[in-house]
Amino acid sequence: GQNIDQPTEMTATEGAIVQINCTYQTSGFNGLFWYQQHAGEAPTFLSYNVLDGLEEKGRFSSFLSRSKGYSYLLLKELQMKDSASYLCAAMDSNYQLIWGAGTKLIIKP
Amino acid sequence: ETGVTQTPRHLVMGMTNKKSLKCEQHLGHNAMYWYKQSAKKPLELMFVYSLEERVENNSVPSRFSPECPNSSHLFLHLHTLQPEDSALYLCASSQEPSGANVLTFGAGSRLTVL
Repeated sequence: GQNIDQPTEMTATEGAIVQINCTYQTSGFNGLFWYQQHAGEAPTFLSYNVLDGLEEKGRFSSFLSRSKGYSYLLLKELQMKDSASYLCAAMDSNYQLIWGAGTKLIIKP
Repeated sequence: ETGVTQTPRHLVMGMTNKKSLKCEQHLGHNAMYWYKQSAKKPLELMFVYSLEERVENNSVPSRFSPECPNSSHLFLHLHTLQPEDSALYLCASSQEPSGANVLTFGAGSRLTVL
C-alpha cells in the first residue's frame, strides 16, 4: 500500500534549527510537497522536490532522496510564527497525492 | 487572503439537517477539490472537478453531494450526516487537475454533527 510517515509532534526553541522528516512508499513517484498549516488557517505551499538534493528558500530548505524514499524540511532561525503543522505529501505515478498526517511543530521562547 | 474563500467557517448541524458548504476561487484555476481533514489523520480527497466536470469521486458516501456550477464555484451539499462526519472540510484549487500542480487551499469549514 501507499504510505507516508512523519512525526506527530516536535518541539524546538526560538532561534534554533529543526528538521522534520518524512518517509514515503508510493506506486511510482512524481515529486514531494511540503505545506504549512497554522491553526485555523489554510494549508500553504512551501516546497516541491522531484530531484534528489537540497533546495533552499530563505530560512526553509527541503531535501529529497528518491532511493531512500525520504525527505526532510529544515527550518533555521526559528521564529514563534513557525509554530504550525507541516504536511508532507508524495505524488504517485498517477499524480495522486498521498498525504501524511502532519507534524505539529511547537516553538518555545 | 488565500485566493480561495470558504463559507461558512463554522457549522453545527443535526443529523437530519440539510446544509451546504460553499467555495469560491478567482485565481483562474481549472480544477477544484474537496478534502476532509480529521484530527491527526491525513487529508482525505473527496471530490475533484475539472472545468465543472467531476473527474474523481473517492468512494464518498452519498450523503455528501458536490456541485460545481462554474469554474469559480464549488459546493458541498450535506444531508443526514453522522457524528463521524465532524471534521474540517477544505476546498482547494489548482491550475490543472493532473500533473504536479500546487494546491491553493481555503481556510476550511469546521463542521460539527450532533
